[in-house]
Amino acid sequence: AQSVTQLGSHVSVSEGALVLLRCNYSSSVPPYLFWYVQYPNQGLQLLLKYTTGATLVKGINGFEAEFKKSETSFHLTKPSAHMSDAAEYFCAAQGGAGNMLTFGGGTRLMVKP
Amino acid sequence: DGGITQSPKYLFRKEGQNVTLSCEQNLNHDAMYWYRQDPGQGLRLIYYSQIVNDFQKGDIAEGYSVSREKKESFPLTVTSAQKNPTAFYLCASSISGTGLADTQYFGPGTRLTVL
Repeated sequence: AQSVTQLGSHVSVSEGALVLLRCNYSSSVPPYLFWYVQYPNQGLQLLLKYTTGATLVKGINGFEAEFKKSETSFHLTKPSAHMSDAAEYFCAAQGGAGNMLTFGGGTRLMVKP
Repeated sequence: DGGITQSPKYLFRKEGQNVTLSCEQNLNHDAMYWYRQDPGQGLRLIYYSQIVNDFQKGDIAEGYSVSREKKESFPLTVTSAQKNPTAFYLCASSISGTGLADTQYFGPGTRLTVL
């Protein structure tokens, strides 16, 4: 069975600083990987996804993520945080039976002025 | 505009009552999903449907029921058998339920509180 682990339930950065949100997956088969963002009391919005091919994936709002098979990781980064990036971020993996999504526990990003 | 709508946004339930959460999509997607979100636990799959008149249990189906009589609609009933129903409920859809790497699109959610 798939499992997804997001290290750090809360991450705080200063405005303009690098954002790094960590995601590791556990799977015998390399899965398809997704990052979603959720603003308070709203649904989830897709930031980016990895399927095949280039391991560095660019998404919306300046975010990108790199698939590293050897490390079973798919960390999300953004060079310079903006106040509007404050939200909860979810990593998810798809693969295995039924192609269902398995979500990590989420990381709440706080951006300090 | 195409999208997913959920209603109501907030719902209050008394102990022992059944309540139904609405989910409608006009994206012409075949597959629809219901997730439950609790703080610190991410999203957990309750039920999913890959095609009209068919649905499967997810990881936490006990105390919930669904129907899929129309392609665009996938209502979720939270029954009195669900012992801890207070949570944020999210509905999602995707083009198909079997396509690899199909993106799931989410509705705005319904927050259910048991009084």
